[in-house]
Amino acid sequence: DQQVKQNSPSLSVQEGRISILNCDYTNSMFDYFLWYKKYPAEGPTFLISISSIKDKNEDGRFTVFLNKSAKHLSLHIVPSQPGDSAVYFCAAEWEAGGTSYGKLTFGQGTILTVHP
Amino acid sequence: EAGVAQSPRYKIIEKRQSVAFWCNPISGHATLYWYQQILGQGPKLLIQFQNNGVVDDSQLPKDRFSAERLKGVDSTLKIQPAKLEDSAVYLCASSLRQGKYSYNSPLHFGNGTRLTVT
Repeated sequence: DQQVKQNSPSLSVQEGRISILNCDYTNSMFDYFLWYKKYPAEGPTFLISISSIKDKNEDGRFTVFLNKSAKHLSLHIVPSQPGDSAVYFCAAEWEAGGTSYGKLTFGQGTILTVHP
Repeated sequence: EAGVAQSPRYKIIEKRQSVAFWCNPISGHATLYWYQQILGQGPKLLIQFQNNGVVDDSQLPKDRFSAERLKGVDSTLKIQPAKLEDSAVYLCASSLRQGKYSYNSPLHFGNGTRLTVT
């Protein structure tokens, strides 16, 4: 049961343009969402997050939007840079009965390539 | 600050052999996680420790996988015997998080151990 889905395996964007990465989830209990970035041969690194009580969170070039009714979130990168080329994972978390804090459910990832 | 350290970086074994992975979390991080990432998929949680106690091991195949965290610091994950489907990257992560809603404490991942079972 894939509770977090990233339906686009890859995305190619020109430098300076906007990159939009999408993520859908099915579990309405999720109340916190995160994006991680992963370079080859490295572990994922935290990028940006959003609580379910918000619909937008911004950090520099990165903005995450949450649409709870559609169970959809997206990551916008503006402007895109070649150094942003990496795999981006969407992840979700819920407070499940008091003990499973910090348990992240990840999507499959989207490979972003930013061309100079 | 030093990051999460994992070793070895790569390991190749034959099926039915055993293997062990080691993780040293960021100093002061009480919570430690082991994730399994199969090629083309997102990481999946195997086990979560709070200090040296297990918080969640519901997705750990306990007939072949075991993990321990002695003295609440370093951790080892063992597979015995290994199967072909265990080929994956094993990621260790740590966090300051010690309870609910500690949303300002994201997980910090190590670079992982890539296991190939032949």
